[in-house]
Amino acid sequence: QVQLVQSGAEVKKPGASVKVSCKASGYTFTSFMIRWVRQAPGQGLEWMGRISPYNGNTKYAQKVQGRVTMTTDTSTSTAYMELRSLRYDDTAVYYCARDLGSSSAWIYWGQGTLVTVSS
Amino acid sequence: SYVLTQPPSVSVAPGQTASITCGGYNIGSISVHWYQQRPGQAPVLVVYDDSDRPSGIPERFSGSNSGNTATLTISRVEAGDEADYYCQVWDNSSDHPLFGGGTKLTVL
Repeated sequence: QVQLVQSGAEVKKPGASVKVSCKASGYTFTSFMIRWVRQAPGQGLEWMGRISPYNGNTKYAQKVQGRVTMTTDTSTSTAYMELRSLRYDDTAVYYCARDLGSSSAWIYWGQGTLVTVSS
Repeated sequence: SYVLTQPPSVSVAPGQTASITCGGYNIGSISVHWYQQRPGQAPVLVVYDDSDRPSGIPERFSGSNSGNTATLTISRVEAGDEADYYCQVWDNSSDHPLFGGGTKLTVL
């Protein structure tokens, strides 16, 4: 069965960087984009970007452009999302997800990674 | 840019029908997906492409989309349906997905 398993919670200071991993299993990793979205406490879902594990092509949300880098390691079927120059308002749960294939709907989700930015 | 509007909250008694709307200009011309998110959990896809259900989602969940409003309908509401619900579309103008602000469903 398809699974996306994310790395554990992180606490970072303002200005630091964080790298969240998302390990995929149960399907051909290079056949589907990996999407990233975040959710600040008590808030809605905010799209951050996506990466193609097939060719590394990325697209980022304007709000985090310049501070985010998404990568993949096809040898381990793992996707990474690195966010730099962390601010207090980057505190959120970060999710990776995969779409259905036949649709743009996101059918598979990681369990989420809480990133807390605190001094 | 394209904007999706959801009511912040909807309340319904057990056994009744809940309707959660997602408004957007001419939303009927694009596909809408719906996610359920229980507290502390990742979102779960409950309806995709306006009205299709993923495997394992009860038939009580249905969707429709026409004009400027898409609707998620939950029939015979149960206590376990209490959650936040988000609509999602693909915003062609910005070439990325867009989420509605979410609706908190309360089962009275």
